Amino acid sequence: GNSVTQMEGPVTLSEEAFLTINCTYTATGYPSLFWYVQYPGEGLQLLLKATKADDKGSNKGFEATYRKETTSFHLEKGSVQVSDSAVYFCALSDLRKTSYDKVIFGPGTSLSVIP
Amino acid sequence: NAGVTQTPKFRILKIGQSMTLQCAQDMNHNYMYWYRQDPGMGLKLIYYSVGAGITDKGEVPNGYNVSRSTTEDFPLRLELAAPSQTSVYFCASSAGTATWSNQPQHFGDGTRLSIL
Repeated sequence: GNSVTQMEGPVTLSEEAFLTINCTYTATGYPSLFWYVQYPGEGLQLLLKATKADDKGSNKGFEATYRKETTSFHLEKGSVQVSDSAVYFCALSDLRKTSYDKVIFGPGTSLSVIP
Repeated sequence: NAGVTQTPKFRILKIGQSMTLQCAQDMNHNYMYWYRQDPGMGLKLIYYSVGAGITDKGEVPNGYNVSRSTTEDFPLRLELAAPSQTSVYFCASSAGTATWSNQPQHFGDGTRLSIL
């Protein structure tokens, strides 16, 4: 079945460091790919998305490119801030289910940015 | 600018008790979802609804029930609480599907439930 694998955390970085959170997926067909972010005590928020191969999603300085050849959707940011501390979830939409929005979430990667 | 509102934020139940987790959205979204989030496991879909009066099971529906009498409200009921239902529960809504209509899901802040 479809699945999402993320790098295990927690990840701790110093402010202004470069961030990469790896995400790979297994899916039938051509799913849409997402990154969601969850700040402490809050629900998930959509950070960025890509709907087809070679698409690049970007938002708030974060980027991820849909790589079909490597089935990956790695999240990157050039210079992290303390306010980026959160849990990041990679996810894909299951195109076999069209009656509702079946989104398969990875386990999440916790990021802590220290001053 | 409420979005998706969940109540309560925290609750402790004894085994065998019942309770209802409330979820309301003010965005006139047709689609609503209930997820549970267990540590290191991501989110699992419990139930979903594509409109008032229409509900269906997700991946992990056992031990739960839902109803959707209005567009705004989508309560989740636990009839006989069990320790395995200790989790954080998230309600979400969307105007359409992220895949087909470019509509993301909007999440509430969650309900942290402990069954002792």
